[in-house]
Amino acid sequence: AQSVTQLDSHVSVSEGTPVLLRCNYSSSYSPSLFWYVQHPNKGLQLLLKYTSAATLVKGINGFEAEFKKSETSFHLTKPSAHMSDAAEYFCVVSDLTSGGYNKLIFGAGTRLAVHP
Amino acid sequence: GAGVSQTPSNKVTEKGKYVELRCDPISGHTALYWYRQSLGQGPEFLIYFQGTGAADDSGLPNDRFFAVRPEGSVSTLKIQRTERGDSAVYLCASSPTSRDTQYFGPGTRLTVL
Repeated sequence: AQSVTQLDSHVSVSEGTPVLLRCNYSSSYSPSLFWYVQHPNKGLQLLLKYTSAATLVKGINGFEAEFKKSETSFHLTKPSAHMSDAAEYFCVVSDLTSGGYNKLIFGAGTRLAVHP
Repeated sequence: GAGVSQTPSNKVTEKGKYVELRCDPISGHTALYWYRQSLGQGPEFLIYFQGTGAADDSGLPNDRFFAVRPEGSVSTLKIQRTERGDSAVYLCASSPTSRDTQYFGPGTRLTVL
Protein backbone atom coordinates (compact mmCIF):
# COMPACT_ATOMS: atom_id res chain seq x y z
CA ALA A 1 0.00 0.00 0.00
CA GLN A 2 1.14 3.50 -0.73
CA SER A 3 1.56 6.14 1.94
CA VAL A 4 3.06 9.55 2.47
CA THR A 5 4.65 11.12 5.54
CA GLN A 6 5.05 14.83 6.02
CA LEU A 7 7.88 15.25 8.45
CA ASP A 8 6.84 18.60 9.95
CA SER A 9 3.37 19.52 11.13
CA HIS A 10 4.32 23.21 11.43
CA VAL A 11 6.98 25.29 9.72
CA SER A 12 7.61 28.95 10.47
CA VAL A 13 9.76 31.21 8.29
CA SER A 14 10.41 34.90 7.89
CA GLU A 15 9.26 36.68 4.76
CA GLY A 16 11.99 36.58 2.12
CA THR A 17 13.71 33.46 3.48
CA PRO A 18 13.66 30.00 1.86
CA VAL A 19 10.90 27.49 2.46
CA LEU A 20 11.43 23.74 2.82
CA LEU A 21 8.50 21.38 3.44
CA ARG A 22 9.54 17.76 3.72
CA CYS A 23 7.73 14.71 2.40
CA ASN A 24 8.63 11.03 2.21
CA TYR A 25 6.55 8.48 0.38
CA SER A 26 6.16 4.74 0.28
CA SER A 27 5.25 3.10 -2.99
CA SER A 28 5.68 -0.29 -4.55
CA TYR A 29 6.15 1.17 -8.01
CA SER A 30 6.81 4.48 -9.72
CA PRO A 31 4.36 6.83 -8.10
CA SER A 32 2.68 10.02 -9.16
CA LEU A 33 3.27 12.67 -6.52
CA PHE A 34 1.60 15.99 -5.91
CA TRP A 35 1.69 19.00 -3.64
CA TYR A 36 -1.59 20.74 -2.91
CA VAL A 37 -2.09 23.97 -0.93
CA GLN A 38 -5.14 24.84 1.15
CA HIS A 39 -5.80 28.42 2.17
CA PRO A 40 -8.39 29.04 4.89
CA ASN A 41 -11.95 28.58 3.66
CA LYS A 42 -10.75 27.79 0.16
CA GLY A 43 -10.49 24.61 -1.86
CA LEU A 44 -7.35 22.59 -2.32
CA GLN A 45 -5.23 23.97 -5.13
CA LEU A 46 -2.67 21.96 -7.07
CA LEU A 47 0.83 23.42 -6.75
CA LEU A 48 2.70 20.88 -8.83
CA LYS A 49 2.82 17.23 -9.83
CA TYR A 50 5.43 14.62 -10.69
CA THR A 51 4.54 11.90 -13.17
CA SER A 52 7.89 10.26 -14.05
CA ALA A 53 9.16 12.94 -16.40
CA ALA A 54 11.77 15.42 -15.10
CA THR A 55 12.71 14.84 -11.47
CA LEU A 56 12.72 18.57 -10.72
CA VAL A 57 9.19 19.83 -11.02
CA LYS A 58 8.28 23.49 -11.16
CA GLY A 59 4.90 24.63 -9.97
CA ILE A 60 2.91 27.77 -9.49
CA ASN A 61 3.88 30.75 -7.32
CA GLY A 62 7.60 29.95 -7.46
CA PHE A 63 7.38 26.54 -5.77
CA GLU A 64 9.30 23.52 -6.94
CA ALA A 65 9.87 19.96 -5.77
CA GLU A 66 12.50 17.34 -6.48
CA PHE A 67 11.71 13.65 -6.79
CA LYS A 68 14.51 11.55 -5.25
CA LYS A 69 13.85 7.87 -5.70
CA SER A 70 16.88 6.77 -3.67
CA GLU A 71 15.60 8.77 -0.68
CA THR A 72 11.88 8.22 -1.41
CA SER A 73 11.45 11.95 -0.93
CA PHE A 74 9.54 14.73 -2.64
CA HIS A 75 10.37 17.88 -0.70
CA LEU A 76 8.75 21.22 -1.60
CA THR A 77 10.90 24.35 -1.77
CA LYS A 78 10.64 28.03 -2.55
CA PRO A 79 13.61 30.41 -2.58
CA SER A 80 11.85 33.33 -0.94
CA ALA A 81 8.69 33.15 1.17
CA HIS A 82 5.88 35.64 0.76
CA MET A 83 3.21 36.47 3.30
CA SER A 84 0.59 35.05 0.95
CA ASP A 85 2.27 31.63 1.13
CA ALA A 86 0.93 31.09 4.64
CA ALA A 87 -1.38 28.08 4.31
CA GLU A 88 -1.65 24.30 4.82
CA TYR A 89 0.36 22.18 2.40
CA PHE A 90 -0.36 18.56 1.58
CA CYS A 91 1.95 16.03 -0.02
CA VAL A 92 -0.05 13.47 -1.98
CA VAL A 93 0.73 10.16 -3.62
CA SER A 94 -1.53 8.71 -6.25
CA ASP A 95 -2.53 5.09 -6.03
CA LEU A 96 -3.36 4.16 -9.58
CA THR A 97 -5.87 1.47 -8.85
CA SER A 98 -6.68 -1.64 -10.79
CA GLY A 99 -9.76 0.27 -11.88
CA GLY A 100 -7.51 2.76 -13.66
CA TYR A 101 -8.26 5.85 -11.63
CA ASN A 102 -6.22 8.01 -9.28
CA LYS A 103 -7.03 7.44 -5.64
CA LEU A 104 -5.21 10.26 -3.88
CA ILE A 105 -3.53 9.49 -0.56
CA PHE A 106 -2.82 12.61 1.47
CA GLY A 107 -0.25 13.31 4.11
CA ALA A 108 -1.32 14.89 7.37
CA GLY A 109 -0.33 18.35 6.18
CA THR A 110 2.23 21.00 7.09
CA ARG A 111 1.06 24.38 8.26
CA LEU A 112 3.34 27.11 6.96
CA ALA A 113 3.48 30.38 8.85
CA VAL A 114 5.27 33.38 7.35
CA HIS A 115 6.34 36.20 9.62
CA PRO A 116 7.18 39.75 8.55
CA GLY B 1 -14.53 29.09 -15.93
CA ALA B 2 -16.56 27.88 -12.97
CA GLY B 3 -14.85 25.53 -10.59
CA VAL B 4 -16.26 22.79 -8.41
CA SER B 5 -18.95 24.13 -6.11
CA GLN B 6 -20.33 22.60 -2.94
CA THR B 7 -23.42 23.45 -0.95
CA PRO B 8 -23.99 24.24 1.79
CA SER B 9 -20.67 25.67 2.88
CA ASN B 10 -21.56 24.96 6.49
CA LYS B 11 -24.07 22.56 7.96
CA VAL B 12 -24.90 22.20 11.65
CA THR B 13 -27.15 19.33 12.64
CA GLU B 14 -28.10 17.32 15.68
CA LYS B 15 -27.03 13.79 16.42
CA GLY B 16 -29.33 11.30 14.73
CA LYS B 17 -30.47 13.59 11.93
CA TYR B 18 -30.15 13.02 8.19
CA VAL B 19 -28.05 15.34 6.00
CA GLU B 20 -27.37 15.79 2.32
CA LEU B 21 -24.29 17.46 0.90
CA ARG B 22 -24.22 18.57 -2.72
CA CYS B 23 -21.39 18.78 -5.23
CA ASP B 24 -21.50 20.46 -8.64
CA PRO B 25 -18.44 19.37 -10.63
CA ILE B 26 -16.78 21.24 -13.43
CA SER B 27 -18.89 20.90 -16.57
CA GLY B 28 -17.82 17.94 -18.70
CA HIS B 29 -15.83 16.20 -15.98
CA THR B 30 -16.74 12.53 -15.96
CA ALA B 31 -14.87 11.56 -12.79
CA LEU B 32 -16.07 12.74 -9.38
CA TYR B 33 -14.61 12.03 -5.94
CA TRP B 34 -15.65 12.60 -2.34
CA TYR B 35 -13.12 12.98 0.47
CA ARG B 36 -13.48 13.65 4.19
CA GLN B 37 -11.07 15.84 6.12
CA SER B 38 -11.16 15.55 9.88
CA LEU B 39 -9.64 18.26 12.05
CA GLY B 40 -5.86 18.31 11.82
CA GLN B 41 -5.68 15.58 9.20
CA GLY B 42 -5.36 15.27 5.47
CA PRO B 43 -8.35 14.38 3.32
CA GLU B 44 -9.31 10.72 3.12
CA PHE B 45 -10.94 9.09 0.11
CA LEU B 46 -14.60 8.13 0.42
CA ILE B 47 -16.01 7.29 -3.01
CA TYR B 48 -15.33 7.63 -6.73
CA PHE B 49 -17.86 8.00 -9.54
CA GLN B 50 -17.21 7.43 -13.21
CA GLY B 51 -20.26 8.83 -14.93
CA THR B 52 -23.37 7.79 -13.04
CA GLY B 53 -21.94 4.74 -11.32
CA ALA B 54 -20.01 4.45 -8.09
CA ALA B 55 -16.89 2.69 -9.32
CA ASP B 56 -15.26 2.51 -5.89
CA ASP B 57 -17.02 3.11 -2.57
CA SER B 58 -14.41 1.38 -0.45
CA GLY B 59 -13.73 4.52 1.59
CA LEU B 60 -17.26 4.96 2.93
CA PRO B 61 -16.93 4.33 6.68
CA ASN B 62 -20.21 2.43 7.14
CA ASP B 63 -23.68 1.92 5.70
CA ARG B 64 -24.93 5.23 7.10
CA PHE B 65 -23.06 6.90 4.24
CA PHE B 66 -24.35 6.81 0.68
CA ALA B 67 -23.73 8.86 -2.43
CA VAL B 68 -25.47 9.23 -5.78
CA ARG B 69 -24.81 10.85 -9.13
CA PRO B 70 -27.97 10.07 -11.10
CA GLU B 71 -27.28 12.07 -14.26
CA GLY B 72 -23.52 11.91 -14.28
CA SER B 73 -23.06 15.50 -13.15
CA VAL B 74 -24.23 16.69 -9.72
CA SER B 75 -23.54 14.34 -6.82
CA THR B 76 -25.12 14.14 -3.38
CA LEU B 77 -23.49 12.61 -0.32
CA LYS B 78 -26.09 11.40 2.13
CA ILE B 79 -25.47 10.63 5.79
CA GLN B 80 -28.14 8.93 7.90
CA ARG B 81 -28.38 8.97 11.69
CA THR B 82 -25.48 11.37 12.01
CA GLU B 83 -23.00 10.93 14.85
CA ARG B 84 -20.65 13.44 16.44
CA GLY B 85 -17.74 11.61 14.86
CA ASP B 86 -19.09 12.51 11.41
CA SER B 87 -18.11 16.13 12.04
CA ALA B 88 -15.55 17.04 9.38
CA VAL B 89 -15.06 18.94 6.16
CA TYR B 90 -16.42 16.99 3.20
CA LEU B 91 -14.56 17.72 -0.03
CA CYS B 92 -15.62 17.02 -3.56
CA ALA B 93 -13.28 16.87 -6.55
CA SER B 94 -13.74 16.29 -10.25
CA SER B 95 -11.47 15.53 -13.19
CA PRO B 96 -11.94 15.33 -16.96
CA THR B 97 -11.13 11.62 -16.95
CA SER B 98 -10.19 9.18 -14.23
CA ARG B 99 -6.44 9.67 -14.76
CA ASP B 100 -6.40 13.48 -14.84
CA THR B 101 -5.64 16.05 -12.18
CA GLN B 102 -8.42 16.41 -9.61
CA TYR B 103 -9.90 19.85 -8.98
CA PHE B 104 -11.34 20.40 -5.53
CA GLY B 105 -14.30 22.36 -4.30
CA PRO B 106 -14.21 24.54 -1.15
CA GLY B 107 -15.84 21.84 0.95
CA THR B 108 -18.82 21.57 3.28
CA ARG B 109 -18.06 21.86 6.98
CA LEU B 110 -20.40 19.48 8.82
CA THR B 111 -20.86 19.86 12.55
CA VAL B 112 -22.91 17.30 14.43
CA LEU B 113 -23.96 18.49 17.89
